[in-house]
This record gives sequence, C-alpha cells and structure tokens, in this order.
Amino acid sequence: DSGVTQTPKHLITATGQRVTLRCSPRSGDLSVYWYQQSLDQGLQFLIQYYNGEERAKGNILERFSAQQFPDLHSELNLSSLELGDSALYFCASSVGSSHEKLFFGSGTQLSVL
Amino acid sequence: EDQVTQSPEALRLQEGESSSLNCSYTVSGLRGLFWYRQDPGKGPEFLFTLYSAGEEKEKERLKATLTKKESFLHITAPKPEDSATYLCAVGDNQGGKLIFGQGTELSVKP
Repeated sequence: DSGVTQTPKHLITATGQRVTLRCSPRSGDLSVYWYQQSLDQGLQFLIQYYNGEERAKGNILERFSAQQFPDLHSELNLSSLELGDSALYFCASSVGSSHEKLFFGSGTQLSVL
Repeated sequence: EDQVTQSPEALRLQEGESSSLNCSYTVSGLRGLFWYRQDPGKGPEFLFTLYSAGEEKEKERLKATLTKKESFLHITAPKPEDSATYLCAVGDNQGGKLIFGQGTELSVKP
C-alpha cells in the first residue's frame, strides 16, 4: 500500500459528461501529481500541485482542470468527455516539489461510452 | 523534444535466466533517471533513481546503471515474482514532471 488513496476506482460515464476524480496524498507529502495512462500513449504527465499551488503543467487538455485544497487532497475535473478520454488516471504524491521518489495510487479507470 | 525509449517491448525469460532491459533517453537537462515497476491493475512502484553517468544501484536481483545516453536494468537469476512491467522515466527542468517510456513487459516462467 503506497498510502495514496484514489476514488473512485472505476467510473463509467457517457460522452459530454463531467466527472471528478479525487486523490488523498500520503501523510506529510506536499506535492500531488496527476498522470494519464493509455495503451497507445503510455504514462503521460498532466499536472503537479505543490502545497496548493500549480507547480508544473504537462499536456493537459483545456477541458481538464485540477486543484489542491488546503488539506492537500486534490481533485481532477474532466469535462465534455470524449471517447478518447477513456484511460487509467493515476495520482502520485511526494514530499518535495522536484524530481524524487513518487508514490502512486491504484488509479481510477475511466470508461467513456 | 524530450524522449524516452525502452527496449524490448516484451521479454520472456525462464526462471534463473539473467537479462537486461534498456532505456535510452534524450532530454535537454537531465534531472534524474528513474525506474519503476508496475503490476497489472496497480500504480507504478518506485525502484531506483540515478543522477550521474557511472552511477549504479542495486536491490535484490535488480541492478540499474546509467550512462550519458542510456540506462540498463539488469535482472540476475529472475524469479516468477519479478514478472511485471518495468518503466523508465527522466526528470526534466520543469518542476516535478517525469517523462516515461512505454515500458518493458517482463514475464518470468518457472
């Protein structure tokens, strides 16, 4: 168990809908990262928050947004969903803000039908 | 463009048959080379971080090495429980962003 909690584990929705994925980092970790994993693209970095502030941004679509709350949990919001958004979404956390050991959650499997 | 390429895509070994996985990278400013292990249905699990050419790290049957352009993950006398996908990643100059390779799916048969 990595100590990172992601909910829900599975999510099935329809095109055009909006969903929210939730992540609770390990106790004491200040950084939260979101990654998308698909068969064709592999593991792709979306965004990083450090102590409530956006720290780094990857190829995150404008339809996607994230935030980190004062209690350090994070949410990833995906809107106007398309079939191609179906993927496994991972949250990871770390103590600091730079490259170091990441602890990954078990992921949320999103299926857009 | 920063890029990480892993080979082979899949590797089948017999128990006890040693081998190596390759990770080649191009990045403008390397800030660490990372190896992770991912089991089906789970998130990646950290194995090693390497920072400079010539550096080596070991953990049980695994040994990671780093040169200026590539890294190797050597697996000595593997066991079936070593079966997993092994991911290589590099850190760039942008905060905590990691660029991952596509992974090598390792299968070890008894």
